[in-house]
Amino acid sequence: GQQLNQSPQSMFIQEGEDVSMNCTSSSIFNTWLWYKQDPGEGPVLLIALYKAGELTSNGRLTAQFGITRKDSFLNISASIPSDVGIYFCAGHFFSGSARQLTFGSGTQLTVLP
Amino acid sequence: EAGVTQSPTHLIKTRGQQATLRCSPISGHTSVYWYQQALGLGLQFLLWYDEGEERNRGNFPPRFSGRQFPNYSSELNVNALELEDSALYLCASSLVAATDTQYFGPGTRLTVL
Repeated sequence: GQQLNQSPQSMFIQEGEDVSMNCTSSSIFNTWLWYKQDPGEGPVLLIALYKAGELTSNGRLTAQFGITRKDSFLNISASIPSDVGIYFCAGHFFSGSARQLTFGSGTQLTVLP
Repeated sequence: EAGVTQSPTHLIKTRGQQATLRCSPISGHTSVYWYQQALGLGLQFLLWYDEGEERNRGNFPPRFSGRQFPNYSSELNVNALELEDSALYLCASSLVAATDTQYFGPGTRLTVL
C-alpha cells in the first residue's frame, strides 16, 4: 500500500516565524490535501492540490504538489497563536474501486508568544 | 450549507458491548468514509460507502461494520468492544468525482471501560 512520510513530527516556533513541513510518498499520488486538526475535533481542509507542479495559496498558507507527484510541502508565513494544532498531509491514489486517502502521521505545531 | 455532522459527540461503553455511531454527509455528497484515530495517533481508514454499498475497507476486523442509507447518511457499528477500540471516530464525505476531496465531521469520542 501507499506510505506517507511526514516531517517534522513536531515544531516549536516563535510567533511571527515562518513554518515549513513536507510529505513524501513511496507511490505517485493523484491529489494532495493538507488538513489541520485541533484537539478533539475533526480535521479541517486547508488546501487541496490536483496537478503536479501546482502551487496554491490560502491566506498565509502555501502548498505545492511536487513535480514527481511523490511529495508536497506546506508553508505557513508569519505564524500566529491560532496556528497551533496538528497538520496532516493526505494523498489520494485512484485505482478503480480502491479509493481512499492515505494520511501522514502529522506535524504538531506549537507557536510560542 | 451544513457540514458533516456526527452523533453522539461522546459515547461510553463497557467491554463486550456494541456501539453505534452515526454520520450525515454534506448535502449532495454520496460517499461516506470512516476513520479511527487513537489518542496521539494518525487517522486509520476503516470503511468507504458509496451509493449504499461498501466499496472498500481498511485493515480492521469484521466486528467493525456499517451501512449507508438511501439518504446517504451512514452508521458505524462496532461489536464486542475491546479496550483498544477507545478512539475518536471520524466521518468524512465527498462527491464521487475525480478530485474526491474529503470533508470531515467533528468526530465521536468512544471510550471503552
